[in-house]
Amino acid sequence: KAGVTQTPRYLIKTRGQQVTLSCSPISGHRSVSWYQQTPGQGLQFLFEYFSETQRNKGNFPGRFSGRQFSNSRSEMNVSTLELGDSALYLCASSPGTSNTEAFFGQGTRLTVV
Amino acid sequence: GESVGLHLPTLSVQEGDNSIINCAYSNSASDYFIWYKQESGKGPQFIIDIRSNMDKRQGQRVTVLLNKTVKHLSLQIAATQPGDSAVYFCAENRAGGGNKLTFGTGTQLKVEL
Repeated sequence: KAGVTQTPRYLIKTRGQQVTLSCSPISGHRSVSWYQQTPGQGLQFLFEYFSETQRNKGNFPGRFSGRQFSNSRSEMNVSTLELGDSALYLCASSPGTSNTEAFFGQGTRLTVV
Repeated sequence: GESVGLHLPTLSVQEGDNSIINCAYSNSASDYFIWYKQESGKGPQFIIDIRSNMDKRQGQRVTVLLNKTVKHLSLQIAATQPGDSAVYFCAENRAGGGNKLTFGTGTQLKVEL
């Protein structure tokens, strides 16, 4: 069974641009969560999607958004990039509705210059 | 609050010794916990989980202990090997929170030969 796939692995963007990251969960998993990891703040929850609906959201500005498609694949978008958005963005795939295992992808390393 | 904290940022052990990584959580509503291992440049790898109706769970070379009275979680690694060198995170999921995880700050485990 294939694991969680995130694309691209690395990305360099300029301040003010926008970016879209993609996540393909493990086959059969309907929940996809996104996290931001930085040295200063650690791993922070961005949002969770289940069956194409966002049902949890972390404390991030509205520049951070996401969506989930009918095949459970998910994208997250960051608009008007800031230097502080440089981070490792991680996607986690879970099989159930709540309190189930979460398996992470390798992440997308975003650098904003 | 929503904090999940770790007692020690760095733990150094000799190869072959047992390692114990600790984690404190503050929310008594948390009912599901996961330990992750993260190697440099990779996403967090699921190690073992435990639910609040249990106080101990064992895997291959790993044991997780949960003490709900003092809100404390620990990960024990038996016969620590060089390949165990990584950052270890505990994460909590509270009832009704979907699959949203709140992470601790992480402990760097260094295995000395």
